[in-house]
Amino acid sequence: DAGITQSPRHKVTETGTPVTLRCHQTENHRYMYWYRQDPGHGLRLIHYSYGVKDTDKGEVSDGYSVSRSKTEDFLLTLESATSSQTSVYFCAVRGTGELFFGEGSRLTVL
Amino acid sequence: AQRVTQPEKLLSVFKGAPVELKCNYSYSGSPELFWYVQYSRQRLQLLLRHISRESIKGFTADLNKGETSFHLKKPFAQEEDSAMYYCALSGLTGGSNYKLTFGKGTLLTVNP
Repeated sequence: DAGITQSPRHKVTETGTPVTLRCHQTENHRYMYWYRQDPGHGLRLIHYSYGVKDTDKGEVSDGYSVSRSKTEDFLLTLESATSSQTSVYFCAVRGTGELFFGEGSRLTVL
Repeated sequence: AQRVTQPEKLLSVFKGAPVELKCNYSYSGSPELFWYVQYSRQRLQLLLRHISRESIKGFTADLNKGETSFHLKKPFAQEEDSAMYYCALSGLTGGSNYKLTFGKGTLLTVNP
């Protein structure tokens, strides 16, 4: 599992509230990613990081921000959650030519 | 831009039948292709990558650059193969950063 943990694993929140998901890795990988998984859409890249304080947008970045202040942690923040952000969020790290995924964080926005 | 197309959302076969999950891609450079699998309530895990040219759990996939395809095949499906399968393509972004693009996935059901 490349030492990846996501927290929280499950969260229910209300529209308009801020939410932060955390991805923690223990193997010092340079690249980290946040994807969302939705039926009929597969996995879509939200943001990714290629180093400490180095991040870039993916294909569905609107409404999300990220931060990476240290190698092991990559935070995904929804500043004001909306119902369309109800999803399963996966963190991934790049190993030797492949991605290793976390177990996912299921977010429900009511 | 890089794009991955999996034309089948759902695929249902009987145990022992051959199975083929289709994947087509669009990429201007030299792509690296993968198949990932997600069993029920588990994390995604790598099944195959084209550069290794190996067979995992009886699955194989060949990169066809002429047809821009990377179809996943297994001659005799097993019930434990039931899962969601994602084809993925890796390439460098404009800033030379590594990014993986996934297809929408195919849910394979193998019936007894």
